[in-house]
Amino acid sequence: AQSVAQPEDQVNVAEGNPLTVKCTYSVSGNPYLFWYVQYPNRGLQFLLKYITGDNLVKGSYGFEAEFNKSQTSFHLKKPSALVSDSALYFCAVRERSGGYQKVTFGTGTKLQVIP
Amino acid sequence: EPEVTQTPSHQVTQMGQEVILRCVPISNHLYFYWYRQILGQKVEFLVSFYNNEISEKSEIFDDQFSVERPDGSNFTLKIRSTKLEDSAMYFCASSEGVGFGGELFFGEGSRLTVL
Repeated sequence: AQSVAQPEDQVNVAEGNPLTVKCTYSVSGNPYLFWYVQYPNRGLQFLLKYITGDNLVKGSYGFEAEFNKSQTSFHLKKPSALVSDSALYFCAVRERSGGYQKVTFGTGTKLQVIP
Repeated sequence: EPEVTQTPSHQVTQMGQEVILRCVPISNHLYFYWYRQILGQKVEFLVSFYNNEISEKSEIFDDQFSVERPDGSNFTLKIRSTKLEDSAMYFCASSEGVGFGGELFFGEGSRLTVL
């Protein structure tokens, strides 16, 4: 079974400071990993994904994420936070092998960027 | 940019009534999904659909739920006899494939309120 853990319900960061939103995953084999963002009363928007290769992946709006296989983590990062980054962030995983279609989401982390 | 569209945006129904939520996935996508989110919290997998049949479903997706692709464009979720606990935001998603990540693209959601 595949699962994702987001240990922080909320992360507060000052505007202009770097931000990190944490995620760890569990799969039987190798993962595809994703980050999504959700603004109030909106659907989930895809930010970035890890498939294979370079452990640092870059995505939309200046976000990046670092894959660490030994720690089974996929933390979302941004060098300089904007107030407009305030939203709910979801990490997600799909097991690579077996043709699985289900994507499992974490419980979400609310990011609050303080002006 | 292609997008997933969902109707209605909000539906209020009485307990025990049937509800149909409709989705138009992105046109060249082959995999379709329904997820639900209760009170802006965890995003829960309901069902995935490929090649005109259900490919995976969760324990939430019991006999009260069904999905259908009645024509070449629509993808529907039917709840046969709604319960109070079915109140949630229901998201439709689609993906082009499952290889190379196969990220999901979500609609804006249909909010279901069961009274």
